[in-house]
Amino acid sequence: QVQLQESGPGLVKPSGTLSLNCAVSGGSIRSSNWWTWVRQSPGKGLEWIGEIYHSGNTNYNPSLKSRVTISLDKSKNQFSLNLTSVTAADTAVYYCARWLLNFYYMDVWGRGTTVTVSS
Amino acid sequence: QSALTQPRSVSGSLGQSVTISCTGTSSDVGIFNYVSWYQQHPGKAPKLIIYDVTKRPSGVPDRFSGSKSGNTASLTISGLQAGDDSDYFCCSYTGPYAGAYTWMFGGGTKLTVL
Repeated sequence: QVQLQESGPGLVKPSGTLSLNCAVSGGSIRSSNWWTWVRQSPGKGLEWIGEIYHSGNTNYNPSLKSRVTISLDKSKNQFSLNLTSVTAADTAVYYCARWLLNFYYMDVWGRGTTVTVSS
Repeated sequence: QSALTQPRSVSGSLGQSVTISCTGTSSDVGIFNYVSWYQQHPGKAPKLIIYDVTKRPSGVPDRFSGSKSGNTASLTISGLQAGDDSDYFCCSYTGPYAGAYTWMFGGGTKLTVL
């Protein structure tokens, strides 16, 4: 049973970079999965940030694309999110999730980690 | 590109049925049969309850059902129970087209069980 666990700083200063990791257990990050980041701002719905395939191919939310990088660390069986030039609008609960190639739904989610952008 | 449109809140009494709508466009809900629904209790991760418009993952009661007509998908919960009191989100796969969203989420609907 694949499990995901987010980790990273809970507080980031404005104009700084938000960096989060998602550790994958119970399975390999090299398998035919898309590894995804989704966020939820306070009182709002879910927002797709972007995703990465085990080959390294990526897709990003067009509204965030200029600030987002998602990468794999196969040696640590984890994937990461970097979001630059953050503002208070980036304050949210960040979730990592996965979807299987050719199965178009996110079946495994992490518990989420709260990131606050504040000085 | 706007999020999928859901009612902000719905309510129903114990034992009754409720339906939550999710309206998109001909570029997402209308063209793909890849609508999924998630239940999210406060402070918890989303839980998949419907995928591919109508299918239920193992362990999800058949009180939960999904459908789609045109650009609108719907989630129906019958025989409401206290534990159904939660937030519900829809999601549509939109394809990996350059410069476009791969996934669209709805704004979420708060279901109150009376």
